[in-house]
Amino acid sequence: GAVVSQHPSRVICKSGTSVKIECRSLDFQATTMFWYRQFPKKSLMLMATSNEGSKATYEQGVEKDKFLINHASLTLSTLTVTSAHPEDSSFYICSARARGGANTEAFFGQGTRLTVV
Amino acid sequence: SQQGEEDPQALSIQEGENATMNCSYKTSINNLQWYRQNSGRGLVHLILIRSNEREKHSGRLRVTLDTSKKSSSLLITASRAADTASYFCATDRGSNYKLTFGKGTLLTVNP
Repeated sequence: GAVVSQHPSRVICKSGTSVKIECRSLDFQATTMFWYRQFPKKSLMLMATSNEGSKATYEQGVEKDKFLINHASLTLSTLTVTSAHPEDSSFYICSARARGGANTEAFFGQGTRLTVV
Repeated sequence: SQQGEEDPQALSIQEGENATMNCSYKTSINNLQWYRQNSGRGLVHLILIRSNEREKHSGRLRVTLDTSKKSSSLLITASRAADTASYFCATDRGSNYKLTFGKGTLLTVNP
């Protein structure tokens, strides 16, 4: 089946620094990718929809200057957490759906555990 | 916002027993999907049921959908310890391909 690769799986960074997380669709083209945040023992909260070649669409309450999303190609979307603070520590997961995505499954990356110290 | 609500929030059973998880949602949907997540990992797709379908099977999984009640259920038969995971339902409302996830059910299957 289709594979979405997310990197890194774990990252520890100092407060005030920026962290980039990559999400790649390995064997299909994804015009749309999604970034989620998950708190411990909680559900996935959609942060933004990443659109290839255009600006990302952010969900209400998500700071777009804080969470920069770039979707430069049909197989790569990146999420950059800028000026990270301890409250940004979380599990971030990306997903992608193939073109013609209605009534298709979503493929998820392995997730990135971000710890800001 | 989270549309789906799963119950129970946690379920603990013995190996060999069946596990049933329920999901309710609020708005009309294009399809509903069930996913599994092992602790600290990404999600794995289990099954998709379209709004015009009422029941679907995949191996030991059986999913039902009642659009009049806006609810779905996931049944895992003959559970195994390896089925221990969190299970989420996700609703797809159509054209923008966004999935909205429920809060999940943590299933523990004791050997």
